[in-house]
Amino acid sequence: EPEVTQTPSHQVTQMGQEVILRCVPISNHLYFYWYRQILGQKVEFLVSFYNNEISEKSEIFDDQFSVERPDGSNFTLKIRSTKLEDSAMYFCASKSNEQFFGPGTRLTVL
Amino acid sequence: AQSVTQPDIHITVSEGASLELRCNYSYGATPYLFWYVQSPGQGLQLLLKYFSGDTLVQGIKGFEAEFKRSQSSFNLRKPSVHWSDAAEYFCAVGPYNTDKLIFGTGTRLQVFP
Repeated sequence: EPEVTQTPSHQVTQMGQEVILRCVPISNHLYFYWYRQILGQKVEFLVSFYNNEISEKSEIFDDQFSVERPDGSNFTLKIRSTKLEDSAMYFCASKSNEQFFGPGTRLTVL
Repeated sequence: AQSVTQPDIHITVSEGASLELRCNYSYGATPYLFWYVQSPGQGLQLLLKYFSGDTLVQGIKGFEAEFKRSQSSFNLRKPSVHWSDAAEYFCAVGPYNTDKLIFGTGTRLQVFP
C-alpha cells in the first residue's frame, strides 16, 4: 500500500540554525500539507501546497517557514532560523480524496 | 470559530470491553468529520470519515462512528477492544475540498489484558 514517508525521523538542531524536513508524498497525489504537533498539544495545520504554490497557510507559517517541491517526488519544509518553540513533531500529508499522513519528524531545538 | 473538542484525555479499558471516544465540534458549515489513529512511532492513519448520507459510518479495524448533528458530536465506538487498539485517537473536522483539517487534542487509549 502506498504511503507517505518522511526523513529524518528525528532532527536535533541548535537555535538559529536552518533545518529542512523532507517528505515523499504518495506518487499520484496533487495536494500536499504540513502540520505540526507540539508535545501535549493539538495537531495544527501549517500550510497546504498545490500546483507548485501555497494554497493556504496558518498564522504559524510566518516568514521563517517555506515549502518547496524541488522535484517530482519530494516536498520539503524549511525553517530558516529555528527557535526553541519550533520543537515539535512535524507531519507531512498528501491527498487524493482524503489526507494520508506520514510518520512525522520530531524536531528538537536546543 | 471552528474547533474540535475531545473531552477525554486518557481512557483505560479492559480487553474485550466496549469503547466510546467522544468528539464534539463547532463548525459553521456542514461538517466533514474524520477519526485518525496514531500508534507510537507511526503517522496518523485514517479510521473513518463522514461526508454525508448515513450518519453511522463504518471504518477499519472494527470501528464505527455516529454523526449527531443535534449534539454536534461524532463519537467513535468499538464493541470489543483488542490490545492492539492501544494508541492515540484524533477527531478532526474540515470540508472535503478545503486545505486544512482541524484536530482535537486527542484521546490516549490504554488497554489492559
